[in-house]
Order: sequence, then C-alpha cells, then structure tokens
Amino acid sequence: ETGVTQTPRHLVMGMTNKKSLKCEQHLGHNAMYWYKQSAKKPLELMFVYSLEERVENNSVPSRFSPECPNSSHLFLHLHTLQPEDSALYLCASSPSGADGNTIYFGEGSWLTVV
Amino acid sequence: GDSVTQMEGPVTLSEEAFLTINCTYTATGYPSLFWYVQYPGEGLQLLLKATKADDKGSNKGFEATYRKETTSFHLEKGSVQVSDSAVYFCALSPMNTGFQKLVFGTGTRLLVSP
Repeated sequence: ETGVTQTPRHLVMGMTNKKSLKCEQHLGHNAMYWYKQSAKKPLELMFVYSLEERVENNSVPSRFSPECPNSSHLFLHLHTLQPEDSALYLCASSPSGADGNTIYFGEGSWLTVV
Repeated sequence: GDSVTQMEGPVTLSEEAFLTINCTYTATGYPSLFWYVQYPGEGLQLLLKATKADDKGSNKGFEATYRKETTSFHLEKGSVQVSDSAVYFCALSPMNTGFQKLVFGTGTRLLVSP
C-alpha cells in the first residue's frame, strides 16, 4: 500500500467509448502525475499537476483529458482512443517544491482498447 | 535533453549471485537519481535514491552510488534472492523543476532462479 489508489485496475473499452481513470492519494502531497507505460518503451510522463494547476503537458493527444479537482484526486478522461493507447497508466504523487522528493506510484490501471 | 540509459535485460542469475545493473545518465547540473522496482502486476516502488554527488543510496541490501565523474548510478546487490525478480528502473529528476519530472530508463528485467 503506497498511499496512492487507482481505479479501475483493469479496463477494456471500445474505440468509441468514453471512460475515466481515477486516482486518489492519501499522503498530503501537492503534486500529482499521470505516466504511461507501454511495452518496450520508457515510462512517459503525460501530465503534471502542482497545487491543482496543470504545469506539464507532454504533447499528449487531446483524446486524453486530465482533471484535478483537488490536491487528493486526479482523473484521466478517455474518449475515442486507439488500440495503440493500450498500456498501463500509472498515477503518482509527490510533495512539490524541493528537489529530490520521492514520487509515490499507484499500482496502475491496465487499459485495453479494442 | 535529459536521458537515462540502462543495460538491456533480462539479467538471469542464480540465487546468492552478485548483481550489477548499469545505469548512466545525461543531464545538466546535478539531478537527483533514483532506482525504482516493479514487481509483476504492480506499480513502481522507490528502491533507493541519491540527491548529490558521492551519495550512496541503500535499501534491502541494494546499493547505488552517485558518480558525477562517470555520470553513473549503478545498482548492486551482494546476494540476490528469488524474491528480487522484478523490473528495475533507473531514473533522474532534473534540478529546480518544483516538481519531480522523472526521466526513466527502459528498465532491466531481473530473473533469479533457485
């Protein structure tokens, strides 16, 4: 138990569906992240929220839409995805401000797009 | 840009063997350096970290030393166990970003047999 909880753990969706991934952290952190982990590729940072403001958006397609309603919750809204979007999506959180702070990851949401 | 290079896997060892997983990095200034571990079906867990040159991070028998002169952060363990079988990720966090913008290597799978 890392203090970062992701739901659902597994999701299968069609290319025309709309779904959301949810992340909740119980660590009192101010920064939250979405990473994408695909086979044989390095983890890719998708979005960063610091103090509920989006501070990083790494050229992610608009079919992925993040939402951070408060410092404890982070969502990734999914619509009209492609099969190549199938991957493990990892949420993480950390304190903001100081260098070298540890990022704590959730267990991930396995997404399969059919 | 910043990058991390890890040795290709899988690394296959017998129980009680010595482990080294090489990691080198490219970055400006003095990034923080991390090793994360991912057990099957789980998210990433911090294994150890070092935030300045010559620091040694250690945890669960694993060690890594921040070598600025060789831009390396090699992971070592004197005697591996079957339970150490996992994927190991080296990562860096650039200086002064205000949040942890981790840059990951591609990961090295370790397989330990009895």
